[in-house]
Amino acid sequence: QSALTQPPSASGSPGQSVTISCTGTSSDVGGYNHVSWYQQYPGKAPKFMIYEVTKRPSGVPDRFSGSKSGNTASLTVSGLQAEDEADYYCSSYGGSDNWVFGGGTKLTVL
Amino acid sequence: QVQLVESGGGLVQPGGALRLSCAASGFTFNRNNMHWVRQAPGKGLEWLAFIGWDTTTKHYGESVKGRFIISRDNSKNTLDLHMNSLRIEDTAVYYCVKDLDWGFDYWGRGTLVTVSS
Repeated sequence: QSALTQPPSASGSPGQSVTISCTGTSSDVGGYNHVSWYQQYPGKAPKFMIYEVTKRPSGVPDRFSGSKSGNTASLTVSGLQAEDEADYYCSSYGGSDNWVFGGGTKLTVL
Repeated sequence: QVQLVESGGGLVQPGGALRLSCAASGFTFNRNNMHWVRQAPGKGLEWLAFIGWDTTTKHYGESVKGRFIISRDNSKNTLDLHMNSLRIEDTAVYYCVKDLDWGFDYWGRGTLVTVSS
């Protein structure tokens, strides 16, 4: 199972919106609505941000939203804040009883 | 609140074995599926293994299939990862993770495994 494809980096100014893509195949992202997103600060464990493509766990700001079109899922961060600067990973159930992650995107707030 | 605390990491020689454990609390452990996920230094996340709440359903990633075994003890609220035939490329922080709707909702702080001679 190949890793999902994410851009290595993304950036935006405070208050702007940024979208991070996550491209897979019809066997994973395109085949299931089991896409999730994680935020990770250096030296810390990942934090659950989005699941089932669009659902937000309790406590996650509504500035974070998820979507999917075909084999590509996206995470949008609206109203960027300095604290949003982190690494972001997508994940998808890959069918055949396995899960796959994206390579990660480093989000910089300018 | 949900707590997942990993232990058992350390330095091991190539070809060696190690057992990681995860103590779970704050949720109904025997009704939740669990995973192990790792992260090599400076690298991304890699899914390793899944175990169903029933203790019998198990799935593995290709890189560890045949070398690692996931298990759980629902009477003790613990999750284990038995790692054999360790390779240098298995060096990573290993996370115990709770499943929610095919996602990973709670993560432990991780335990570092270093494979080196």
